[in-house]
Amino acid sequence: SQTIHQWPATLVQPVGSPLSLECTVEGTSNPNLYWYRQAAGRGLQLLFYSVGIGQISSEVPQNLSASRPQDRQFILSSKKLLLSDSGFYLCAWSVRFPTWETQYFGPGTRLLVL
Amino acid sequence: GQQVMQIPQYQHVQEGEDFTTYCNSSTTLSNIQWYKQRPGGHPVFLIQLVKSGEVKKQKRLTFQFGEAKKNSSLHITATQTTDVGTYFCAGQVANFGNEKLTFGTGTRLTIIP
Repeated sequence: SQTIHQWPATLVQPVGSPLSLECTVEGTSNPNLYWYRQAAGRGLQLLFYSVGIGQISSEVPQNLSASRPQDRQFILSSKKLLLSDSGFYLCAWSVRFPTWETQYFGPGTRLLVL
Repeated sequence: GQQVMQIPQYQHVQEGEDFTTYCNSSTTLSNIQWYKQRPGGHPVFLIQLVKSGEVKKQKRLTFQFGEAKKNSSLHITATQTTDVGTYFCAGQVANFGNEKLTFGTGTRLTIIP
């Protein structure tokens, strides 16, 4: 069966520090991968998605970046964190069926920037 | 761009009462999905609707896809404390090669025991 891992579960970082969040998927090949951010009590904001190694699409301009160095690994990074980067970061994967896809989410990383 | 709105944003109900959340898309959808996020947890896939006018049931949950495939609803009968959470719809527009999901704004359900 497929599983998705994210770490760390919780992170407290000072403003201006770098960030690296990792997401890995097991049990599937060639997944679509996604990074979402969820502010407290709010909806899901799609940040990045990837349909293959090295292929990254950005949905919103920001000081975050994403990379996909391996088929089942997705990394979210920042060189200098802002206070507004605080939130719940969710990684998700999907396998594309003929015309639709269901997304499966990881447990998430709660990031607090102070 | 495509927008998916949900109403209400919040709903407080007495345990045992019914609950409904509505989802509306600005564009015609190829399919719609529903997810549930428990407090402190991550979204979990519930169901997918594909056909115009489709109705699906999961125990006390009834999901409906509108005839025009632009709206959907989730109805919970006789709510229980385990129903607490935020319910998201997510719509997909048939756009070959670019079928990303667009999540709705969510409805947060709280239950008064």
